[in-house]
Amino acid sequence: GNSVTQMEGPVTLSEEAFLTINCTYTATGYPSLFWYVQYPGEGLQLLLKATKADDKGSNKGFEATYRKETTSFHLEKGSVQVSDSAVYFCALTPRAGGSARQLTFGSGTQLTVLP
Amino acid sequence: DGGITQSPKYLFRKEGQNVTLSCEQNLNHDAMYWYRQDPGQGLRLIYYSQIVNDFQKGDIAEGYSVSREKKESFPLTVTSAQKNPTAFYLCATRTGGRTTNQPQHFGDGTRLSIL
Repeated sequence: GNSVTQMEGPVTLSEEAFLTINCTYTATGYPSLFWYVQYPGEGLQLLLKATKADDKGSNKGFEATYRKETTSFHLEKGSVQVSDSAVYFCALTPRAGGSARQLTFGSGTQLTVLP
Repeated sequence: DGGITQSPKYLFRKEGQNVTLSCEQNLNHDAMYWYRQDPGQGLRLIYYSQIVNDFQKGDIAEGYSVSREKKESFPLTVTSAQKNPTAFYLCATRTGGRTTNQPQHFGDGTRLSIL
């Protein structure tokens, strides 16, 4: 079956530090990959996505590259801000088959950025 | 996300009582989903629906029921058979059919607690 493994948190960084949150996946074929962000008490917001190998998704200074050879989709940001404090989820959806394009989520990584 | 309304934001249930969580969308999306989120964990799929009058069980459907009588609405009932219902419930929608790579969009969630 499909699965997503994320770096365990919590992660605490100082403002302007470099961020990496690791994500690896197991899936048949070529899934689409996503990063979602959840702020306290809210639902999930799509942060970025990539749909094929070597694609780079980017948004709000965050980036992630779809690496098929290492089955990874690590999230990076060069300089984090206090407002980036949230929980980050890596997720995949199968390209073909897979009823209703279900999302499989990682367990989430809590990020806290200190001023 | 704008366009997906979950209500109420907070809900309390007495032992042995059924409660219904509302999810309404005005995005004209075909597919709708219900997820459960427990503290410090990822999301688990309860039920999903690809079209009106059709729905399928997800990974943890026991103790829950749904209906999809209208495209805009996908209510979730937490029955008394669900022994541990305290959680954060998230509704999501997605456009397109089975072969698209469009992401799911999420509402702001309902937090259910047992009195």
